Amino acid sequence: EVRLVESGGGLVEPGGSLRLSCVASGFTFSNFAVSWVRQAPGKGLEWISGILSGDGYTYYADSVKGRFTLSRDDSRSTVFLQMDSLRGDDTATYYCAKPVEWFDSSGYTGFDNWGQGTLVTVSS
Amino acid sequence: QSALTQPPSASGSPGQSVTISCTGSSSDVGGYDYVSWYQQYPDKAPKLLIYEVTKRPAGVPDRFSGSKSGNTASLTVSGLQEEDEADYYCSSYAGSNNVFGPGTKVTVL
Repeated sequence: EVRLVESGGGLVEPGGSLRLSCVASGFTFSNFAVSWVRQAPGKGLEWISGILSGDGYTYYADSVKGRFTLSRDDSRSTVFLQMDSLRGDDTATYYCAKPVEWFDSSGYTGFDNWGQGTLVTVSS
Repeated sequence: QSALTQPPSASGSPGQSVTISCTGSSSDVGGYDYVSWYQQYPDKAPKLLIYEVTKRPAGVPDRFSGSKSGNTASLTVSGLQEEDEADYYCSSYAGSNNVFGPGTKVTVL
């Protein structure tokens, strides 16, 4: 059974930083790209970042480019989302998601497995 | 603001069919056969219902079907059941990344 478990969310002040983790199991993690998708309270879904397998090339939405950094540790089947310079509009539940196809860095082939999400609240 | 357009709500009685549209442009929905649909219950993670326009993952009932014509993709839920009351999101490849629609709330009357 595929499992994705996020952690690291919480309350942070504007301008602050937070590091999210997503631990995967049940599939060959090192072979797959992984993405983060967020959902602001009462709002829709937004893809924000993805990382390829192998070379670990990363992709970002314009809304987080330059502030968020995605990385992976295949030895621990874990991806990390470092979030800096946080703003109020970053308040959301953050999901990590596995694509249907291993090479898909943004979910265009579909996300067939999702974590339970971790809530990030940016407020003073 | 989403590049894709969905009706904010849709409804139907048990046993009926409901169709949700997802309208984009030739730069996304119309340009690629990479449209997905997700179902989401309150405070739960989304679940993949349809990918690559018409494909269903294992375990998804065949009551859920997808199609596309031009710049508009559609999700049809046939034989509506109470458990189908949820939010539904489309997504599409947009040339460099993946974009989501704003979501449609389906109510079972």
